[in-house]
Formats: sequence, C-alpha cells, structure tokens
Amino acid sequence: DVKVTQSSRYLVKRTGEKVFLECVQDMDHENMFWYRQDPGLGLRLIYFSYDVKMKEKGDIPEGYSVSREKKERFSLILESASTNQTSMYLCASSSGTGDNSPLHFGNGTRLTVT
Amino acid sequence: GQNIDQPTEMTATEGAIVQINCTYQTSGFNGLFWYQQHAGEAPTFLSYNVLDGLEEKGRFSSFLSRSKGYSYLLLKELQMKDSASYLCAVKDSNYQLIWGAGTKLIIKP
Repeated sequence: DVKVTQSSRYLVKRTGEKVFLECVQDMDHENMFWYRQDPGLGLRLIYFSYDVKMKEKGDIPEGYSVSREKKERFSLILESASTNQTSMYLCASSSGTGDNSPLHFGNGTRLTVT
Repeated sequence: GQNIDQPTEMTATEGAIVQINCTYQTSGFNGLFWYQQHAGEAPTFLSYNVLDGLEEKGRFSSFLSRSKGYSYLLLKELQMKDSASYLCAVKDSNYQLIWGAGTKLIIKP
C-alpha cells in the first residue's frame, strides 16, 4: 500500500511566522501535489511537481512556495503565515503513467494561524 | 469557468441504496474520479470512469454520461461505515483535476 505521510496533524502558528509542512511518500511516485481543503469548497491545488527539483504553480500559489529536493519529499512553505491560510492542507502523490492514476493522500495537516 | 456540482448533504438508511450525482462543465474531459473521505481522514480512491457506462465494484458502482456531463455514484446495502463525504473530480484537457465540494452522506440506523 502507498503511504503518504505528513509530518504534523495539527499546527498552530502566529501571523507572520514562516511555516514548513512536510510530506513524504514511499512508493517512488513521480508526481506530488499540495492541496488545501476548506468547508464548502472543492480541493484547491496550490503547487505540484512532476519530478525532483521541478515545481509548477497550481490554482492558488500566492503566499506559498514549495521544495522538492528528493523524489520522496515535497515540502510546502508559507513564507509569512496569514489568518486566511488557516485551512486543512493535504499532500498527495501519484505514479507518472496513465490518465487513471489515482491520487494517494496523506492524512492532512490542520493549520491554524492566529 | 470550470465547475463541478454535487449535492451538499444526503441522508439514507442503513441497508438501503443511495445515488450521489455529479454534474460537470469543464474544458475538455480526461476521466472522472470518485473519492471517499471519512471525517478527519484522507480521501481514498473509489472509482474512475472515462467511457460512458457503469463500472461496478462490489457494493459501489459509478456511472458516466459524457454527452450529459453527468456521473453518479451508487452505493448499495448501505452500512454505517459508509457515512463519509464523497468527492467527485474531473480531469480537464490539461490533465488537471477539478474538484467538487463533496457530498456529505449521513447513514441512519
């Protein structure tokens, strides 16, 4: 079974802090994604990566950056946390081949910015 | 713009059948996914449809009509553990996933 592990389930940070959310997958997947999930909205893509050291902006990249130095690890960085970044953050991975490759999600990090 | 519509919430009775609908308007179509998400947990993959018709997988089936921009997820012999949110997502012409807001399914004894 694919395992996607996010380093924290819950985080509380203060406005202006730099925040790191870590995600590791153990199935040698090429593709990794960061989403945020808010009530009443569909999952929104922040950033994604199809290869090591590669990154692409998703639909809502403002205020975020990412790092993929190793294939198995994809980090999301909030450069200066703001209250509107309070959300559930979900990391996901998928294999590189086939349109039907499903996403495998981590359990999420619930971030509160005060 | 691109849009996925699902009912916000549905209630059904244990042992019954429920159908969760999903309609979409996207720029292109490269497949439709259904995911299940229990409260506080990660979404997990249920099904994938790219051709018209019904795909059956145990108690769960998923149907697609591309001409109508419509899919449904059918859950039979409902169990209490089926209480969860069900997420519909479509891959557009750029192979990016567009997500619905999810349908919260409540199962009553």
